Amino acid sequence: DTEVTQTPKHLVMGMTNKKSLKCEQHMGHRAMYWYKQKAKKPPELMFVYSYEKLSINESVPSRFSPECPNSSLLNLHLHALQPEDSALYLCASSQDRGNRGQWEQYFGPGTRLTVT
Amino acid sequence: GESVGLHLPTLSVQEGDNSIINCAYSNSASDYFIWYKQESGKGPQFIIDIRSNMDKRQGQRVTVLLNKTVKHLSLQIAATQPGDSAVYFCAENLKAAGNKLTFGGGTRVLVKP
Repeated sequence: DTEVTQTPKHLVMGMTNKKSLKCEQHMGHRAMYWYKQKAKKPPELMFVYSYEKLSINESVPSRFSPECPNSSLLNLHLHALQPEDSALYLCASSQDRGNRGQWEQYFGPGTRLTVT
Repeated sequence: GESVGLHLPTLSVQEGDNSIINCAYSNSASDYFIWYKQESGKGPQFIIDIRSNMDKRQGQRVTVLLNKTVKHLSLQIAATQPGDSAVYFCAENLKAAGNKLTFGGGTRVLVKP
């Protein structure tokens, strides 16, 4: 199984709403990632979790709050977003990042988020 | 800052012909490179990777070439098929930056029947 699943596929939310994006993988990967992708742009890294601990936060605004409840799950909690936060949010996972270098990242299909 | 970029934003190719997608990188410390394919409405899909100690790596119908002298990466697709139509991203890994992947701008490949 080389699948990363994400729910929901689409999400429309108001600027005062609180919502969560979910990501799941069962490949035994210990590194999980959140990326943001605007239309016609490459994915931009937001957060990295390694062994359920946050290891990289790319200066993401606090209205985005990641959570890794266990090694298979990754959440992104959203609160008080702005219209410019509308984008495709991608989750990815890989084997242990560690000092051995980079491993192939497997991406989910993404959640298309629209903030109204 | 240093970044990964692409020479051509759009590539039109006849079905059956070979495709070449180019990518320039500026950070000589990058140690790992990946090509991803992204179809409309989907997440990026791994195609092939290459480590900085290699010059060439072949997969099924795809070949990645790495020229460290001029900091250039290319993806060759043999006998391009309609299913190859997508946006292709190169990505570089910089171990010194915490093994983060940085994506290039992307090239759209359009396969004409």
